[in-house]
Amino acid sequence: KQEVTQIPAALSVPEGENLVLNCSFTDSAIYNLQWFRQDPGKGLTSLLLIQSSQREQTSGRLNASLDKSSGRSTLYIAASQPGDSATYLCAGYQAGTALIFGKGTTLSVSS
Amino acid sequence: DAGITQSPRHKVTETGTPVTLRCHQTENHRYMYWYRQDPGHGLRLIHYSYGVKDTDKGEVSDGYSVSRSKTEDFLLTLESATSSQTSVYFCAISEGPGAYGYTFGSGTRLTVV
Repeated sequence: KQEVTQIPAALSVPEGENLVLNCSFTDSAIYNLQWFRQDPGKGLTSLLLIQSSQREQTSGRLNASLDKSSGRSTLYIAASQPGDSATYLCAGYQAGTALIFGKGTTLSVSS
Repeated sequence: DAGITQSPRHKVTETGTPVTLRCHQTENHRYMYWYRQDPGHGLRLIHYSYGVKDTDKGEVSDGYSVSRSKTEDFLLTLESATSSQTSVYFCAISEGPGAYGYTFGSGTRLTVV
């Protein structure tokens, strides 16, 4: 059974720091990977989608990469801001299933 | 998201009563999904649909049924609600099973008392 681990579970940083969130899959046969952001009491907002032919995606201050050989993904956030405070979820897709989610990393950025 | 709507947003119901949650999309996407989100468990797949009247079970399908009679609507039914089904329920849509990303609704907070 595929399991997704996100490390760390929680992270507190001062404004301006660069940070890395990690995600790993027990089965490295991931077809594509999606990172989401979730604010308290809200739905999921898609941040980045890495499709099967890609190794990374960038959007503004966010960069996500996927190493299919190891089944690991990282989300890099540059120059963090208080508005980045949220829970970040990674999810992977394997053939014949739906997106499988990690439990998330809760980020707090202080000003 | 503008293209996907869940109703109701909040519901409190009594143990043993039937409950139906609705997901409506305006994107004409073929795939629709129901997830539940619980502290300590993250999001877990309940059921999904890959077309009108085509559905399949997910990881936590016991106690739930689904129906999809139109492309735009995907209904989740709790036949006899239990306290363990207190959760936040999310609907998602996608154009295809894997290569395309998912878009999520705003969720339904269900409390079974």
